[in-house]
Amino acid sequence: AQSVTQPDIHITVSEGASLELRCNYSYGATPYLFWYVQSPGQGLQLLLKYFSGDTLVQGIKGFEAEFKRSQSSFNLRKPSVHWSDAAEYFCAEDLNQAGTALIFGKGTTLSVSS
Amino acid sequence: EAQVTQNPRYLITVTGKKLTVTCSQNMNHEYMSWYRQDPGLGLRQIYYSMNVEVTDKGDVPEGYKVSRKEKRNFPLILESPSPNQTSLYFCASRGQALGGETQYFGPGTRLLVL
Repeated sequence: AQSVTQPDIHITVSEGASLELRCNYSYGATPYLFWYVQSPGQGLQLLLKYFSGDTLVQGIKGFEAEFKRSQSSFNLRKPSVHWSDAAEYFCAEDLNQAGTALIFGKGTTLSVSS
Repeated sequence: EAQVTQNPRYLITVTGKKLTVTCSQNMNHEYMSWYRQDPGLGLRQIYYSMNVEVTDKGDVPEGYKVSRKEKRNFPLILESPSPNQTSLYFCASRGQALGGETQYFGPGTRLLVL
C-alpha cells in the first residue's frame, strides 16, 4: 500500500541549531510531495512542495527540502531553528498528482530548546 | 482574503446527538475534502467532493455524511456521534499554489464526544 513514512515521532533541537526532518514516500516514479506545518491550535500551512525540476526546493520561513529519488526521500531542513518553529510537521504525497489524493505521514513534533 | 473557514472550532457533545460541522471556502474551488487527525495516525481523509452534488468516500467514511449543494460549502454531518469520533477535523479545498495544485486547510474543529 502507498504510504508516507516519517521515522521520527519527536525531535528536540536547540535554538540556532540546524534541523532535518525525515520523510520517505513509497509511490510513484515522479511523486508530488509536500511539507506542511501545524502550529499548536492551528490548521495546516503549506511550507513547500516538489512537483518536478530542481530537487532542492525552497519554501517559506527559511525551510528547504531535497528530493532524492534513489532514497525515496524528501527531507525537510532548516539551517538555524527559531523557537517559533516548534510545531508538528507533516510530509504528504499526492497520489494522483491532481491535489485530490493526499496521504500524510504521521507527523514529527519539533520541540526547540533554549 | 482567500481562506477556508470551519465552524464551530470547538464542540463537546454527547453520544447520539446529531451534529454538523460547517466548512466554507471563498476561492471558488471545485474540490473540497474532510480529514480527521488523531495522535499517531496523521491525517486521514473522510470524504471528498469533486464538485457540486459530487461526493465520494475517503479512507475513513464510516459514521459520517457530507453534502455539497453549493460550491462554497461542504458540511460534515455526524448523524449519531460516538466517542471514537472524538478527533480534530480539518476541511480543505484544492487550488493553485506554488506552481501546482495543492490543498488549503481550514483551522480545524476539535470535537469531543462524551
